Amino acid sequence: GEDVEQSLFLSVREGDSSVINCTYTDSSSTYLYWYKQEPGAGLQLLTYIFSNMDMKQDQRLTVLLNKKDKHLSLRIADTQTGDSAIYFCAVPNSGNTPLVFGKGTRLSVIA
Amino acid sequence: NAGVMQNPRHLVRRRGQEARLRCSPMKGHSHVYWYRQLPEEGLKFMVYLQKENIIDESGMPKERFSAEFPKEGPSILRIQQVVRGDSAAYFCASSPPLQRWDEQYFGPGTRLTVT
Repeated sequence: GEDVEQSLFLSVREGDSSVINCTYTDSSSTYLYWYKQEPGAGLQLLTYIFSNMDMKQDQRLTVLLNKKDKHLSLRIADTQTGDSAIYFCAVPNSGNTPLVFGKGTRLSVIA
Repeated sequence: NAGVMQNPRHLVRRRGQEARLRCSPMKGHSHVYWYRQLPEEGLKFMVYLQKENIIDESGMPKERFSAEFPKEGPSILRIQQVVRGDSAAYFCASSPPLQRWDEQYFGPGTRLTVT
C-alpha cells in the first residue's frame, strides 16, 4: 500500500518562506493533497495538485510535484504566525481506500 | 450549511467501558469516513460507509470496533471494552455522492481518553 513520509518539524521566522516536503510511494495517485490542522481542530483542506501538473500556485501557497522522484512540496510565502499548525500531505491509496496521510510537519513561526 | 459535526468533542472512559462516537455529515453528503489519529501520528483510515452500507473497513481493528451509518441519524463508531491504546482523536469526514477526494470535509474530531 501507499506510504507517505514527511519531516516532523520546521521552524521559520515570520516573513520568511516555509517549505514542507513529502515523499510517497504509489505513482498511480491522481490527486495529491495538503491539509492544515490547527491545535485542537479538525483538518482543513489547503490545496491539492493533479498528478499531470508540476506546479500549482494559490496566493501564498505553491505546490511543486516531482513525479519521477515521487516528491511533493508545499511552499508558504511570507509566513505568518497564523500559519503555525501541523501540515499533512495526503495521497489516495490504490483501489478503494481513502486518503493515506503522512505523520505531519509541525510548523512553528517565530515572530 | 453546517459543517461535519461530531460529538462528543471529548470523551473519557474507563478501561472496559464502551465508547460511542457520533458523526453527522454535511447536508447532502452520503459518504462518511472515519480516521484515527494517535498522538504524534498522522491520520489512519479506519472505515468508509455509505448509508446502510460498509464499503471499506480495511482499516478497522478486527475486534471491539464497529461502525454504522443508518438510513436516519448520524454515523456511529462504537468501541467496546476500551483499552488505554484506544486513546486517540477520532475524525469523521464526509463527501457528496459523486465522490472526489478533494471534497472530503472533516469534522472537529472526538478526543477519547481511556483511564
